[in-house]
Parts: sequence; structure tokens; C-alpha cells
Amino acid sequence: EPEVTQTPSHQVTQMGQEVILRCVPISNHLYFYWYRQILGQKVEFLVSFYNNEISEKSEIFDDQFSVERPDGSNFTLKIRSTKLEDSAMYFCASSTGLLAGGPNEQFFGPGTRLTVL
Amino acid sequence: AQSVTQPDIHITVSEGASLELRCNYSYGATPYLFWYVQSPGQGLQLLLKYFSGDTLVQGIKGFEAEFKRSQSSFNLRKPSVHWSDAAEYFCAVAARGSTLGRLYFGRGTQLTVWP
Repeated sequence: EPEVTQTPSHQVTQMGQEVILRCVPISNHLYFYWYRQILGQKVEFLVSFYNNEISEKSEIFDDQFSVERPDGSNFTLKIRSTKLEDSAMYFCASSTGLLAGGPNEQFFGPGTRLTVL
Repeated sequence: AQSVTQPDIHITVSEGASLELRCNYSYGATPYLFWYVQSPGQGLQLLLKYFSGDTLVQGIKGFEAEFKRSQSSFNLRKPSVHWSDAAEYFCAVAARGSTLGRLYFGRGTQLTVWP
């Protein structure tokens, strides 16, 4: 069964460093998402991406964050200068889009745990 | 603003017992409603969803959920829990009419199953 994959599973970085989190969505999906979950808190939406551009972003997704689909298969989240508060589990998701009557299922990857020291 | 409340952070049940996980939402109009499950090391997996129609929806793994508009609730149930159901369960909503279905999640309920 096709699945969303994410690498690495765990990333440790120093504050101020740049990190790139990688995702490979399901191959025929057109809509891509990043969410994050700070330990003990809710899963929060960061950004959605369709047709090679950002469709929606949350207030969390500031200028330190960027997303890219560099080669038609990968979907990346870059954090330019990490802060301690960026430590979280980051989930990538993908979807085929809309069904009649509502949004289609978002398939989630297993997450990348980012630890900022 | 949209919000999703899962009042139970952790629930423990015995194998074979029934289960109900609570979810309440706050939203202007009835949103799309979802339940996801996350097992350790796995991504979130969709259990079931409600868009419209019959307020009792059936999902995978023997789960069902009932939408109650008057209570703004979408509680997840299972009549007999199996040890493999131990996981974290997330209720989520998406705004009705939302183009891409941005999800708003609850905090999650961790389910422990005693043998």
C-alpha cells in the first residue's frame, strides 16, 4: 500500500542552524501539507501546497519557514534559523484533493522529530 | 476560532471492554469531522469521517462515531477493545467549504489497554 515517507526520523540541530525536513508524498497526490506537534500539545497546521505554490499557511509559518517541491517527488520543509521552540514532531501529509461533498483523506507520514539544542 | 477539545488525556480500559473517546468542537457551522489514530512510530491513520447524512458513521478496525449537532460532539466508540487498539487517538475538524481541508486537531487521547 502506498505511504508517505519522511526523512530523517530524528534530527538534532543547534539553535540558529538551518534544517531541511524531507517528505515523499504518495505519487498520484496533488495536495501537500506540513503539520507539527510540540510535545504535549496539539497537532498544528503549518502550510498547504498545491500546484507548486502555497495555498494556505498558519501564523506559525513565518519567514523562517519555506516549502519546496524540488523534483516532482520530494516535498521539503526548510527552517532557516532554528529556535528552541521549533523542537517538535513534524508531520507531512498528502491528499488527492477534494471529493464531492468534502475534502479527501490526508495521508500522514510517520513524522520527523526535530530537537533544537 | 475553531477549536477541538478532547477532555480525556489518557484512558485505560481492559481488553474486551467497551470504549468511548470524547470530542467536542467549537465552530460556526458544522465542520467536517475526523478521527485519526497514531500507533508508535507510525503516521496518523484515518479511522473515519463525517461530512453529512447519517450521524452514525462506521470506520475501520470496528470503530464508529456519532455526530451530535446539539452537543457539538463527535465521540468515537468501539464495543470491544483489543490490545492492538492501544494508541493515541486524535479528533480533527476541517472547515466546511474549505478547499484543501486544513485540519484542526484536538490534543489527543492516549489509550492503554490492559490484558
